[in-house]
Amino acid sequence: EAQVTQNPRYLITVTGKKLTVTCSQNMNHEYMSWYRQDPGLGLRQIYYSMNVEVTDKGDVPEGYKVSRKEKRNFPLILESPSPNQTSLYFCASKISGTGLLQETQYFGPGTRLLVL
Amino acid sequence: AQSVTQLGSHVSVSEGALVLLRCNYSSSVPPYLFWYVQYPNQGLQLLLKYTSAATLVKGINGFEAEFKKSETSFHLTKPSAHMRDAAEYFCAVRATSGTYKYIFGTGTRLKVLA
Repeated sequence: EAQVTQNPRYLITVTGKKLTVTCSQNMNHEYMSWYRQDPGLGLRQIYYSMNVEVTDKGDVPEGYKVSRKEKRNFPLILESPSPNQTSLYFCASKISGTGLLQETQYFGPGTRLLVL
Repeated sequence: AQSVTQLGSHVSVSEGALVLLRCNYSSSVPPYLFWYVQYPNQGLQLLLKYTSAATLVKGINGFEAEFKKSETSFHLTKPSAHMRDAAEYFCAVRATSGTYKYIFGTGTRLKVLA
């Protein structure tokens, strides 16, 4: 089954304790992205990656890191989490390129993070 | 800079009534436009997309949207609401060149009344 998986699905941590949220897709997609969803703010893009070793900032990259060493994986790293990073996080992927067929992002189920 | 505005954070309709969810975009050139749906405790699912082909776009579950350049709008409609349409809907935009950033609206929660 074609899917985007995220782990963990739920996480409670404390301020300053480094954490990683993993994202993996099995569709051989070049493009992957991370979003955070907050009430009243919708989704905001954190980082995206066009392919292996190619990443770029979205609208809210501060406090986050990413890496893309393999095509299928795109982990999100919070080196020193703070309470304002409490949020619902989504990973997404799609085929590279433009046009009707390529412009469909597939979203993971989400990771709910609480930073105390 | 690009942006999208969704008018109405909550919309209620009766079952069988017309659904109209509003989205306006701001962009110097017509961008790619999308509508996504999020059911409770799930990720987002693409409903439909506009990529500079036909201005009237048909999506899944009976939804459609019309791109109107003169009004910078991309409103989502469905002729007859079903209970299963209750969800949160997001409009999104991406520039057609130069960037692969996506900008999402703040969402509209649709409630369908029996």
